[in-house]
Amino acid sequence: DQQVKQNSPSLSVQEGRISILNCDYTNSMFDYFLWYKKYPAEGPTFLISISSIKDKNEDGRFTVFLNKSAKHLSLHIVPSQPGDSAVYFCAASRIQGAQKLVFGQGTRLTINP
Amino acid sequence: EAGVTQSPTHLIKTRGQHVTLRCSPISGHTSVYWYQQALGLGLQFLLWYDEGEERNRGNFPPRFSGRQFPNYSSELNVNALELEDSALYLCASSPRTSRGNSPLHFGNGTRLTVT
Repeated sequence: DQQVKQNSPSLSVQEGRISILNCDYTNSMFDYFLWYKKYPAEGPTFLISISSIKDKNEDGRFTVFLNKSAKHLSLHIVPSQPGDSAVYFCAASRIQGAQKLVFGQGTRLTINP
Repeated sequence: EAGVTQSPTHLIKTRGQHVTLRCSPISGHTSVYWYQQALGLGLQFLLWYDEGEERNRGNFPPRFSGRQFPNYSSELNVNALELEDSALYLCASSPRTSRGNSPLHFGNGTRLTVT
């Protein structure tokens, strides 16, 4: 049972344009969502998070949007830069109680010069 | 601040053997998590330790086990290795919290190859 899904295994975007990565979840109990970025031969690094009391969180070039009714979140990167080329994982958990993070399968983002 | 450290970085084992992977969390972090990333797949949750106790376990067979030591470091043991155990094993840590809203900090992983 894949509770967190990233349906696009890969995405290619021109440098300077907007990158939009999508993530869907099925468990309505999730109320905390995160995005991680992973380069080859490195562990994932935390990028940005959002709790279910918000529908948007911004941090520089990165914005995460949450649509609770659709159980959907997205990560917007603008403008996209070559260093953004990596695999992006979305993850979800419950804030109350000690809960593990559940990860999606990842989307490989390639930024073309 | 030193990050999460894992050892070894790479390992090659034969089917049926046993392996132990090690993880040192960030100083002050008491929770340690283990994830498996098989080729082409996402991160699959394996085990979670906090304050020396196993808090949660993923959908893996009992030959995957681990423990957490008093200094909060952890080890992951895999017995009777199978070819499909070949993967990147990632350890992560977080501060002690009863709320699941702390980002996990990951190490660079141990690449295990089973031949």
